Amino acid sequence: DAGITQSPRHKVTETGTPVTLRCHQTENHRYMYWYRQDPGHGLRLIHYSYGVKDTDKGEVSDGYSVSRSKTEDFLLTLESATSSQTSVYFCATTRSVYSNQPQHFGDGTRLSIL
Amino acid sequence: QQPVQSPQAVILREGEDAVINCSSSKALYSVHWYRQKHGEAPVFLMILLKGGEQKGHDKISASFNEKKQQSSLYLTASQLSYSGTYFCGTGGTRDDKIIFGKGTRLHILP
Repeated sequence: DAGITQSPRHKVTETGTPVTLRCHQTENHRYMYWYRQDPGHGLRLIHYSYGVKDTDKGEVSDGYSVSRSKTEDFLLTLESATSSQTSVYFCATTRSVYSNQPQHFGDGTRLSIL
Repeated sequence: QQPVQSPQAVILREGEDAVINCSSSKALYSVHWYRQKHGEAPVFLMILLKGGEQKGHDKISASFNEKKQQSSLYLTASQLSYSGTYFCGTGGTRDDKIIFGKGTRLHILP
């Protein structure tokens, strides 16, 4: 597969604290995505990146920021975590931006905010 | 808009066939299919592109009906390993971001 590693795999934190999730890929894919997965909603796009320092918002971006300083790393930050952000977060990569390319997913981060 | 998957859930016995549908309210360029087992990452199955094609590998195949703006995933002679949640993802144009449906939970009984 695309060699995608997410860290941490599990995290429990308190409301109001900042949280950063990391996605690391070894396939040199230019495009990277952050999704959240919640029961009854499927996968929803938070932010995506189309290159180093190039990022854009997805459909559920409020309360999240991202950064990409290297091709292989894409960070997702919850600036002040809220209980509504309790979710499973998946990172994905694609070789190109076009919708005819498969997405390769990491194993996910289970985040609980108390 | 988010594509609509049906059914939401299905329970089958090993060896039976299943069909999962994915419908969109807008014209489609591409349809992706993924399978996700509990606690794991979604895994890519196949992509179908505008043109009404069919694809398949092993006993899992899919069709894409451009006029009806829908795709169907066919699982024949289902095996226990087919259990999981199946997601479709759709793109309206080549440049679109993929939007995923809510998923269909498939449970195969021995």
